[in-house]
Amino acid sequence: AQKVTQAQTEISVVEKEDVTLDCVYETRDTTYYLFWYKQPPSGELVFLIRRNSFDEQNEISGRYSWNFQKSTSSFNFTITASQVVDSAVYFCALSERRSGGSNYKLTFGKGTLLTVNP
Amino acid sequence: DAGVIQSPRHEVTEMGQEVTLRCKPISGHDYLFWYRQTMMRGLELLIYFNNNVPIDDSGMPEDRFSAKMPNASFSTLKIQPSEPRDSAVYFCASSRGHNEQFFGPGTRLTVL
Repeated sequence: AQKVTQAQTEISVVEKEDVTLDCVYETRDTTYYLFWYKQPPSGELVFLIRRNSFDEQNEISGRYSWNFQKSTSSFNFTITASQVVDSAVYFCALSERRSGGSNYKLTFGKGTLLTVNP
Repeated sequence: DAGVIQSPRHEVTEMGQEVTLRCKPISGHDYLFWYRQTMMRGLELLIYFNNNVPIDDSGMPEDRFSAKMPNASFSTLKIQPSEPRDSAVYFCASSRGHNEQFFGPGTRLTVL
């Protein structure tokens, strides 16, 4: 069974600090996908990134960066120079690619509440 | 595109009543998912469809819950009879193949 662990329940930082959100996953499959979603106080879930298991290159998008390490089964998310608008719950998720095509189940971690104080 | 549309956005009902939540996925997406979010259990997948066919309903809590997808542009999640423990935010999401899922704004259900 697939599992996603976000050990940090809550993180509080001051604006302009860098912050890293941890995500550790478990899967028996060799082909899988990892995701990060953001849930701001307004409640909607916003897609941030999707990474497949064969692509271990780190990704950078503006102030956001992601570090994928298969050796440690981790997919960590770093926000550089955090801003108050980054305050949200961040979810890491895992999807296994099973044979049969139509199987597509996304398992979410419990989420990390990030509070960025001015 | 308008994104995933859910209705109603808020629903308050009394225990024992039937509740129907509605979802319109993004046009062209062949997967549709129903999730429930609570403080205690986080985000849980209830059921998902591929090309209007239910693929996995193992997350549906019990027989009081049912979901249908009569066509590619509409799905319903029904709770009958509703109970206070069903109070949660219910999200619908859709995707094209195994790509990222796009979520609707959610329906906040309160069962008194």
